[in-house]
Amino acid sequence: EAQVTQNPRYLITVTGKKLTVTCSQNMNHEYMSWYRQDPGLGLRQIYYSMNVEVTDKGDVPEGYKVSRKEKRNFPLILESPSPNQTSLYFCASSLIAEGTDTQYFGPGTRLTVL
Amino acid sequence: AQSVSQHNHHVILSEAASLELGCNYSYGGTVNLFWYVQYPGQHLQLLLKYFSGDPLVKGIKGFEAEFIKSKFSFNLRKPSVQWSDTAEYFCAVNAAGGTSYGKLTFGQGTILTVHP
Repeated sequence: EAQVTQNPRYLITVTGKKLTVTCSQNMNHEYMSWYRQDPGLGLRQIYYSMNVEVTDKGDVPEGYKVSRKEKRNFPLILESPSPNQTSLYFCASSLIAEGTDTQYFGPGTRLTVL
Repeated sequence: AQSVSQHNHHVILSEAASLELGCNYSYGGTVNLFWYVQYPGQHLQLLLKYFSGDPLVKGIKGFEAEFIKSKFSFNLRKPSVQWSDTAEYFCAVNAAGGTSYGKLTFGQGTILTVHP
């Protein structure tokens, strides 16, 4: 089944404790992206990747890191989480070659930083 | 930089009523436009998209949207809503072509509540 998976789905952590949220897709998509969703603000793009080893900042990259060493994986790293990073995070992927730019979204990771 | 504005934060309708959700974008070049839907407890799904050609696009579940370039708008419509359409709806835009199309900008979202 074609899908985007994220782990963990729920995470409660404390300020300053480094964490990684994994994202994996099995559709051989070149493009992957991370968003955070906050009430009243919609989805805001954090980082995106057009292909392996190619990443770029979205609208709200501060406090986040990403890497794209393999095509299927695009982990989101919070080196020193803070309470304002409490949010619902979505990973997405798409096949650039299609030219359709339809993004397939993962199920989301709800992060709480105390 | 591109931006998207959805004017209605929360829309409440009765079943069989007609729906129109507003979406306006700001960008100086050619764009691709999308409507996504998020049902309660689920992740986002694509409703419809516009890349080029006929400005009236039809999507899943009876939804359609019209791209009006002169108004920078891409409003979502459905002639008769159902209770199962209760969800949050997001308009999104990215730059067509080039390398900047990877940056996808969403609106704030509109919550639609349909009463039986």
